[in-house]
Amino acid sequence: AQSVTQPDIHITVSEGASLELRCNYSYGATPYLFWYVQSPGQGLQLLLKYFSGDTLVQGIKGFEAEFKRSQSSFNLRKPSVHWSDAAEYFCAVGARAAGNKLTFGGGTRVLVKP
Amino acid sequence: NAGVTQTPKFQVLKTGQSMTLQCAQDMNHEYMSWYRQDPGMGLRLIHYSVGAGITDQGEVPNGYNVSRSTTEDFPLRLLSAAPSQTSVYFCASSTTGPLSNQPQHFGDGTRLSIL
Repeated sequence: AQSVTQPDIHITVSEGASLELRCNYSYGATPYLFWYVQSPGQGLQLLLKYFSGDTLVQGIKGFEAEFKRSQSSFNLRKPSVHWSDAAEYFCAVGARAAGNKLTFGGGTRVLVKP
Repeated sequence: NAGVTQTPKFQVLKTGQSMTLQCAQDMNHEYMSWYRQDPGMGLRLIHYSVGAGITDQGEVPNGYNVSRSTTEDFPLRLLSAAPSQTSVYFCASSTTGPLSNQPQHFGDGTRLSIL
């Protein structure tokens, strides 16, 4: 069965500093990988996804993520954080062989200090 | 364009009561799904549907029923609410599922408390 681990429950970062959120997955074949963001009181919004090809993926709001097969990781990065990036971030994995479904990690809450 | 609309936004129930969480989308999406979100556990799939008349179980289906009589609507029913079902519930829709090139659209959630 596929699984996703986000090791950091909370991260606090200063505005303008860089941000990296970790995501490790477990699945035998090449997975479909996603990052979603959830602002308070709202549903999830897709930031970016990896299906195949270039392992460095660009997303919305200045985010990028890198798929590293050897480390089973799909870490999310942003070079300079804005106060509006304060939210909860979820990594998710899917695989067609496992059904048309997603498995989500537990989430990382990001706090931005002025 | 309303997207995915969930009602109600908040609900408090007593143990043993029944209720239906409503979900409607106006994007003509075939795939719809229900998730529950609990602290530290991310979102877990309850039930999903790949089209009208077709539903299937997700990761945590016990205690929940669904039906899909139209493309637009995908209600989630709790027949006998239990405190363990206290959670935030999200409905999502997409053209052909979460692994397609088109993104899933999420509703704003229903916060449900079972006393």
